[in-house]
Amino acid sequence: SAVISQKPSRDICQRGTSLTIQCQVDSQVTMMFWYRQQPGQSLTLIATANQGSEATYESGFVIDKFPISRPNLTFSTLTVSNMSPEDSSIYLCSGSGTGSADTEAFFGQGTRLTVV
Amino acid sequence: GNSVTQMEGPVTLSEEAFLTINCTYTATGYPSLFWYVQYPGEGLQLLLKATKADDKGSNKGFEATYRKETTSFHLEKGSVQVSDSAVYFCALRGWYSSASKIIFGSGTRLSIRP
Repeated sequence: SAVISQKPSRDICQRGTSLTIQCQVDSQVTMMFWYRQQPGQSLTLIATANQGSEATYESGFVIDKFPISRPNLTFSTLTVSNMSPEDSSIYLCSGSGTGSADTEAFFGQGTRLTVV
Repeated sequence: GNSVTQMEGPVTLSEEAFLTINCTYTATGYPSLFWYVQYPGEGLQLLLKATKADDKGSNKGFEATYRKETTSFHLEKGSVQVSDSAVYFCALRGWYSSASKIIFGSGTRLSIRP
């Protein structure tokens, strides 16, 4: 199984600013995903990070608000732009060794973001 | 599209009780099914998985059987412990390569009383 490290683990940010979250995997993974988890809620997929091309966003999420980079097979970043209190949430990075259905995904510990 | 419906929580049980957390899914093709667990203050960990019909996933005393006829993947444990207190998520991964994202259920919070 892969080990996924996220930085920062938590942050408190002013509204209108941006925060970039880093995700580092200790081995190469085919797929990387970014999720949002509101307190006490389930995980909502933001986007699939594609290496060398633009991320694939889910309905309700746009690149201008959540730009994502994936320069190689072990690293990705998610930026939360022009933050508002509604963006306060836990952001989770996930990786999967392959894109096939029978492969599980592994998760980082998450980044707890509070926007004031 | 694909979806996962999970038993509402919270669920509170006494130690050594029998546990069932229901999970049903909607999907085309042959998805894989997973149970993840999230302990307080931690990230998600894979608990068990099943990748085809009638497969049984098991780990740490937990079991779940992939039932295609009822589109279900219920989580069971014969005797729960206080250390099992956590949030449990049922999840599905689509069969097609273009749908290989993982979809999660709403989560079920489990509390075990000593």
